[in-house]
Amino acid sequence: AQSVTQPDIHITVSEGASLELRCNYSYGATPYLFWYVQSPGQGLQLLLKYFSGDTLVQGIKGFEAEFKRSQSSFNLRKPSVHWSDAAEYFCAVGDGQAGTALIFGKGTTLSVSS
Amino acid sequence: SQTIHQWPATLVQPVGSPLSLECTVEGTSNPNLYWYRQAAGRGLQLLFYSVGIGQISSEVPQNLSASRPQDRQFILSSKKLLLSDSGFYLCAWGRMTGVGGYTFGSGTRLTVV
Repeated sequence: AQSVTQPDIHITVSEGASLELRCNYSYGATPYLFWYVQSPGQGLQLLLKYFSGDTLVQGIKGFEAEFKRSQSSFNLRKPSVHWSDAAEYFCAVGDGQAGTALIFGKGTTLSVSS
Repeated sequence: SQTIHQWPATLVQPVGSPLSLECTVEGTSNPNLYWYRQAAGRGLQLLFYSVGIGQISSEVPQNLSASRPQDRQFILSSKKLLLSDSGFYLCAWGRMTGVGGYTFGSGTRLTVV
C-alpha cells in the first residue's frame, strides 16, 4: 500500500540555522512528490513539487528538496531558517493519474527559537 | 487565475444537528475536488473526492456525505453531527491529471458540542 512517513513529529531549530525535514514514501509507480506548509488555522500552501528530471527542486520561500529514489526519500531543506518559517509541513505523494488522490504524511511541526 | 473559496471559516454546532460546508472553485473547469479532515497529530485524512458532477468517491465510512451539484461546487454534509466530527475541514482542487498538486481552501474549523 502507498504510504508517506514523516519520522519527526516536532523539530525545533534556531533562527539562522539550517533545516532538514525528512520524508519517506512507499509507492509502486513513479511518484509525484510534494511539500506543503500550513500556518496555524490556515489551509495548505504548496512549497515545491517533483515529477521528473533534476532530482533537486527549488521551491518558494527559499526551500529546496531532493528526490533520492534509492532511499525512497524526498527531504525538504532550507539553509537558513527564519522565525516566519514556524509552521507545520506536510509531504505528499501521488501517481499523477486522473481520479486518484494525493497521500499525505502526518506532518512535522517546526518551531524556530531565537 | 484560479481561486478556491470555502465557508464558513468557523462553525459551532450541537450534536445531532445537520451540517453543510461549501466549497467553490473559480477560474478553471473540470477540476478534481477533494474534502480532507485534519485532526491534531493525524495529518490529513481524505474523506471524499470527485472527478466530475455527481461523481463522488468515499474514502472512509463515516457520518458524512458529499455532493457535487455543479462543476465547481463541492458540498460536505451530515444529517446528524457526532462529537467525533469535530475537526478542521479542508477543501482542495487539482487538475485532472493530478500532476500539479492541489490548491487548498482556507479551511473550516468545526466544533461539535
